[in-house]
Amino acid sequence: EDKVVQSPLSLVVHEGDTVTLNCSYEVTNFRSLLWYKQEKKAPTFLFMLTSSGIEKKSGRLSSILDKKELFSILNITATQTGDSAVYLCALNAGNNRKLIWGLGTSLAVNP
Amino acid sequence: GAVVSQHPSWVICKSGTSVKIECRSLDFQATTMFWYRQFPKQSLMLMATSNEGSKATYEQGVEKDKFLINHASLTLSTLTVTSAHPEDSSFYICSARDGQGGLSYGYTFGSGTRLTVV
Repeated sequence: EDKVVQSPLSLVVHEGDTVTLNCSYEVTNFRSLLWYKQEKKAPTFLFMLTSSGIEKKSGRLSSILDKKELFSILNITATQTGDSAVYLCALNAGNNRKLIWGLGTSLAVNP
Repeated sequence: GAVVSQHPSWVICKSGTSVKIECRSLDFQATTMFWYRQFPKQSLMLMATSNEGSKATYEQGVEKDKFLINHASLTLSTLTVTSAHPEDSSFYICSARDGQGGLSYGYTFGSGTRLTVV
């Protein structure tokens, strides 16, 4: 059965800290892995990863995929209070393109 | 970038009434629309997958007669919660992918509809 496991489930840090969020998965037909940020409304897209070892970067956020060890990490450097959100990892697997979601990591950045 | 417009953003309705939620893709053709429900502090739960012009595929445990999905055009999909009850109160979100094999930045979400049934 395809599944996505995120860790930690929640995290509290201070502004300026660097955080690493983890997403491990099991899948029979991998297509891509996606990261989303969810604040109070619908998730907003961060990254889509398809190839191992290629870091994707957007400002203070970066992500990388390891298809051999079946995990991805999302790094946030110099965290700000605006980074407080739930970060969701999703797996695109199979022919029907539906996403398999992790439970998310709830990040709180305190001033 | 691609945009999915979802309406209404929030709705309060009386128990027993029906509520329709619309999702429109504004600048691309959404051949596939995914409908999710999310309860507080929980992850997204896929309810159904709809493809333009065909019947929706519902996930196990989701009542298709209660959650009616229509995807009659490439830019519009609707979810109707029929005879809503308080336990249907939740955050409903649509997500679309285009007909060109997927957008380079993944799936696009609507802004969500918070439904409260009283």
